[in-house]
Amino acid sequence: DAMVIQNPRYQVTQFGKPVTLSCSQTLNHNVMYWYQQKSSQAPKLLFHYYDKDFNNEADTPDNFQSRRPNTSFCFLDIRSPGLGDAAMYLCATSRPPGTGSPRLTDTQYFGPGTRLTVL
Amino acid sequence: GDSVTQMEGPVTLSEEAFLTINCTYTATGYPSLFWYVQYPGEGLQLLLKATKADDKGSNKGFEATYRKETTSFHLEKGSVQVSDSAVYFCALSSYNQGGKLIFGQGTELSVKP
Repeated sequence: DAMVIQNPRYQVTQFGKPVTLSCSQTLNHNVMYWYQQKSSQAPKLLFHYYDKDFNNEADTPDNFQSRRPNTSFCFLDIRSPGLGDAAMYLCATSRPPGTGSPRLTDTQYFGPGTRLTVL
Repeated sequence: GDSVTQMEGPVTLSEEAFLTINCTYTATGYPSLFWYVQYPGEGLQLLLKATKADDKGSNKGFEATYRKETTSFHLEKGSVQVSDSAVYFCALSSYNQGGKLIFGQGTELSVKP
């Protein structure tokens, strides 16, 4: 089945130790997103890629970076995790509509998430 | 800007009870509307969607109708099961914000046997 896969499902890191979370997709979608979610609150968008075009949200801390080496994979790098960065990190993908604005997106499909713990 | 407001939770129901979770929105243009469900420890799963006025989305016994006149997209199910216990998020795809998903705050549903 086509899907969005996140690895690892659970990640423990130490305060200040860099960590990388991984997302892959078999849907061949152009757009990939990273969200942060705390305590069953609504997910908060950190950034997204439209193909290789990176779009950062204005309030995303510089501590969070992302890489998309190809269509299938996207990585979230947290350079110096703080206690406040402990959260569920969700990856999602979508394809744009066939016509019209390329920035409009279709349904987003989410992965199972990575639960990050910072000690 | 565009926004979504959901009925506050937690909502606790007995098995086989009728469920309504209210969702209203504010948006410019004609957004697509979604309900996502999140089971404990999992990511979000698309439950249903509607892309234009009067469309009804349905899945797994859940339904929601896109009501432009009342700017609402209420989620309903006729008979809930314990396995429906989860957090439900209403969302819209915002034309003004490049198609980003704007989420409601989520409603936690707990179904007791």
